[in-house]
This record gives sequence, structure tokens and C-alpha cells, in this order.
Amino acid sequence: DVKVTQSSRYLVKRTGEKVFLECVQDMDHENMFWYRQDPGLGLRLIYFSYDVKMKEKGDIPEGYSVSREKKERFSLILESASTNQTSMYLCASSFDTNSYEQYFGPGTRLTVT
Amino acid sequence: AQSVSQHNHHVILSEAASLELGCNYSYGGTVNLFWYVQYPGQHLQLLLKYFSGDPLVKGIKGFEAEFIKSKFSFNLRKPSVQWSDTAEYFCAVRGSNYQLIWGAGTKLIIKP
Repeated sequence: DVKVTQSSRYLVKRTGEKVFLECVQDMDHENMFWYRQDPGLGLRLIYFSYDVKMKEKGDIPEGYSVSREKKERFSLILESASTNQTSMYLCASSFDTNSYEQYFGPGTRLTVT
Repeated sequence: AQSVSQHNHHVILSEAASLELGCNYSYGGTVNLFWYVQYPGQHLQLLLKYFSGDPLVKGIKGFEAEFIKSKFSFNLRKPSVQWSDTAEYFCAVRGSNYQLIWGAGTKLIIKP
């Protein structure tokens, strides 16, 4: 079974803080993704990575950055958290370019006050 | 740009009712289609997928979906729902660059 884990289920941060969200997958997947999930908006892609040290912007990258130093780990960074970044953050991974099937972590519910 | 449209944001049904959730996509080349489900408090998981072949796809927990190319649709069906089917359902289509394009989701509530 593919396992995607995220460092925290719930996180509360203050405006202006730097926030790190970590994601680890254990199946040697090439591709990893960060989404935010908001009611009525579905999943919106923030960033994805198709290889170590490679990253691509998704639909809503503003205010976020990412890091992928090892194949199994993909970090999402909020340089200076703002209240409009309060959301559920989902990490996913997929095996290769042909699969497209994504496996998800449990999510991190981030509240910025 | 590719897009996915899910017709209903909220659906409320009684147990044993039949279910059909609509999904339409804009054409973008190779058609790979997915339905994912998110049960309360759980992570998103794959319900079923269509890559090629038989347009009627069967998934887990008695769900099925039919790919109708002429209508750009991939509707999800279940003949008789249970209370445990209460969840949010997402339709997705293969996009470019390893990505999936997601619909906004449909929240399904089953009344016992």
C-alpha cells in the first residue's frame, strides 16, 4: 500500500510566521503535489515536482514555495503566513508520467490567526 | 484550458435511493478520467478510473461510472446508496504535465 504522510493534521500559526508543511511518500514515486482544498473550490494545485530538486508552479503559487531535496520528501513553505492561507493542505504523489493516478496524504488543516 | 464541471455541489438522498453524480470535462487530448472520494475525516482515495477500453467502469463499494465520449461526460452511479456513502466526491481528468484537473466536488449526504 502506498503511504503518504503529512507532518501535522492540525496547525495554528500567527500572521507573518514562516510555516513548513512536510510530506513524505514511501513508494518511490516520481511526482509529488501540493494542493489546497477550500469549500466549493475543489482542489487547487499550488506546486508540483516531477523529480528531485525540480519544481513547477501550479495554479496558485503566490505566497508559497517548495523544496524537494530527496525523492520521498516534498515540503511546502509559507514564507509569511496570512489569514487568507487558512485552508486544508493536501499532499499527493504519483508514480510516473503514464499513471496520473494520485495518492493522497491525510491533509493538514492550517489556521492562520 | 481544460476544465471539469460537477453539476451539483450538494446532494441529499435517502438510503436505498439511486445515485448519479454528473461530471463533464473539456476535451484536451488523451482522456483519462477519475473519481475520488473523501469520507469525513479521511484522506482522498480513488474510487474508479477510466483509461481506455470498456466505457463502463466499475469501482470500489458498488460504484460505477460511464464514459460517454460524445457528451464529454463521466457520470458516477450507484444503484442503492447507504448511509456510509456520505462523503465528498471529486471528478478529475488528466491534464498536461503529470497533473490532474479537478472538479469543485459534490457533497453527498445520505439520510438514514
